[in-house]
Amino acid sequence: DAGVIQSPRHEVTEMGQEVTLRCKPISGHNSLFWYRQTMMRGLELLIYFNNNVPIDDSGMPEDRFSAKMPNASFSTLKIQPSEPRDSAVYFCASSSQYNSPLHFGNGTRLTVT
Amino acid sequence: GQQLNQSPQSMFIQEGEDVSMNCTSSSIFNTWLWYKQDPGEGPVLLIALYKAGELTSNGRLTAQFGITRKDSFLNISASIPSDVGIYFCAGQSVGTASKLTFGTGTRLQVTL
Repeated sequence: DAGVIQSPRHEVTEMGQEVTLRCKPISGHNSLFWYRQTMMRGLELLIYFNNNVPIDDSGMPEDRFSAKMPNASFSTLKIQPSEPRDSAVYFCASSSQYNSPLHFGNGTRLTVT
Repeated sequence: GQQLNQSPQSMFIQEGEDVSMNCTSSSIFNTWLWYKQDPGEGPVLLIALYKAGELTSNGRLTAQFGITRKDSFLNISASIPSDVGIYFCAGQSVGTASKLTFGTGTRLQVTL
């Protein structure tokens, strides 16, 4: 099993630029989650999907953030325009069914200068 | 909203010692999970607990789901250098699908 795959592993960009983070969940998992991790706030849930449908996006910081899941094997998290305070590690996680544990990818470390 | 208080924040222990950390919640959870995160990687699931009072082991790790459903602890016996990392508890409430609330983490460092 390949696990949850995220790309890129590292992203450095300038303020104002668009950033797109990508995630491939574990095959067969039907729930997908985007988390953000910072020293100050720990792990925060941004949004999660069930069967490709967004269920709860209440954690998305503001309109600059958007997420899509066009099919069961791919999701994107986009930040446009990016700001320095968006610098964090962004994790994608998936789970096989309702109430089952999450499996995390290795994250994308985003630095916005 | 819900809060998960995890303690201690950090621990320095010697190889071979036992470790104990815990999480408490302001509200009831129906699932408790314990994850470990190594540098540059995502959290990895260690133990999942689904019933109040449940005591589960995974090798040298033992975790318990508190009877009040508002707390959980994780014990590591006979620590080894590869136990170094950050340990997170996570709780899931009734009716929130797989949405987890994470604790603030316990950073464990092991000295030889």
